[in-house]
Amino acid sequence: GAVVSQHPSRVICKSGTSVKIECRSLDFQATTMFWYRQFPKQSLMLMATSNEGSKATYEQGVEKDKFLINHASLTLSTLTVTSAHPEDSSFYICSARQNRGPPYNEQFFGPGTRLTVL
Amino acid sequence: QKEVEQDPGPLSVPEGAIVSLNCTYSNSAFQYFMWYRQYSRKGPELLMYTYSSGNKEDGRFTAQVDKSSKYISLFIRDSQPSDSATYLCAIQAGGGNKLTFGTGTQLKVEL
Repeated sequence: GAVVSQHPSRVICKSGTSVKIECRSLDFQATTMFWYRQFPKQSLMLMATSNEGSKATYEQGVEKDKFLINHASLTLSTLTVTSAHPEDSSFYICSARQNRGPPYNEQFFGPGTRLTVL
Repeated sequence: QKEVEQDPGPLSVPEGAIVSLNCTYSNSAFQYFMWYRQYSRKGPELLMYTYSSGNKEDGRFTAQVDKSSKYISLFIRDSQPSDSATYLCAIQAGGGNKLTFGTGTQLKVEL
């Protein structure tokens, strides 16, 4: 299957700093990338959907000014958590999709990035 | 009411047992049904997907969808310790982007 990487795998930062997480599709072009957040023992919650070259679409309740998403190329999307606070500590997972058409476009998930804000 | 309900477990079974994992959903517009496996501190990996009622088999795994009851299941035969993971159901409306995940069921297969 297709491979999606994330970097870094783990990051610890101080409250008030900004953190950038990269998501790359290694062997395919991803027209659409998704960013999820997962708290311990909870499910994945979609934060935003990004299409290459256009602005991201954020889910209700997700602050677009706090979680900046850039999808500048077909193989790279970045999530920047600005002015991070302890409540932003979570497991952030991206996925990428090829948009091959119906009936189903599989999303390939990255390994996740664990963010800890002190 | 959540769009997708899944018993979080944990579920503990002996090696070789048949495991049954289930989800219910509320929106009849959902058309595509997926099961993902997630190991600790890793991203989810797709196990199976189906878009119609009935059964779909892949090795030791069988996915079952009952649209009339809005109920989906994943069966694992001859379970192995390596099957120990969290299993997430995910559902998608036709043509839509968004995957709606269940909370995941934590499975432990013991020797």
